[in-house]
Amino acid sequence: EVQLVESGGGLVKPGGSLRLSCADSGFTFSAFSMNWVRQAPGKGLEWVSSISSDSDFIYYADSVKGRFTISRDNAKNSLYLQMNSLRAEDTAVYYCAKDLLHGGDYWGQGTLVTVSS
Amino acid sequence: QSVLTQPPSVSGAPGQRVSISCTGSRSNIGAGYGVHWYQQVPGTAPKLLIYGNSNRPSGVPDRFSGSKSGTSASLAISGLQAEDEADYYCQSYDSSQSVVFGGGTKLTV
Repeated sequence: EVQLVESGGGLVKPGGSLRLSCADSGFTFSAFSMNWVRQAPGKGLEWVSSISSDSDFIYYADSVKGRFTISRDNAKNSLYLQMNSLRAEDTAVYYCAKDLLHGGDYWGQGTLVTVSS
Repeated sequence: QSVLTQPPSVSGAPGQRVSISCTGSRSNIGAGYGVHWYQQVPGTAPKLLIYGNSNRPSGVPDRFSGSKSGTSASLAISGLQAEDEADYYCQSYDSSQSVVFGGGTKLTV
């Protein structure tokens, strides 16, 4: 059974940093691209970042470029999102998703990031 | 402002058929990239309903179908059931090397 479990969310002050993790099991993690998608309270889905299976190709939404860094450790079946210079508008539930044709066929349950003073 | 445009809401009675449109542009749907559809019950993670325009993952009822034409796509749900009440999102890929979503459509049964 495919499972994706996010962790690392919490309350952080504006300008602060957080590192999200996504632990994956039930599939060959190293063979698939992975994505981070977020959803602000009461809002729609917003793509954040994608990383290819071997980390050769990495893409970011303009809204997070230069502040967020996606990475992965295929030996640990884990995906990460380092978030720096956090802003109030980054407040959202962050989901990791296994890639299928630039979409997501399996999603984690999400982890809430709240940026507030 | 979402790159893909969806109606904010649709509604239908149990047993009826509804459709949800998703309009993009020549740089995403019109460029030949596939359209995916997700169902999200509030408070839960999105669930993939349709991938690659019209393909259903295992376990998704055949009441759900997808189509694409030009720069638009559509999700149809037939035989509406109360459990179908949820938010629905379309998603594609853009030539700017970004994943794009629609703003979401709230289905009321």
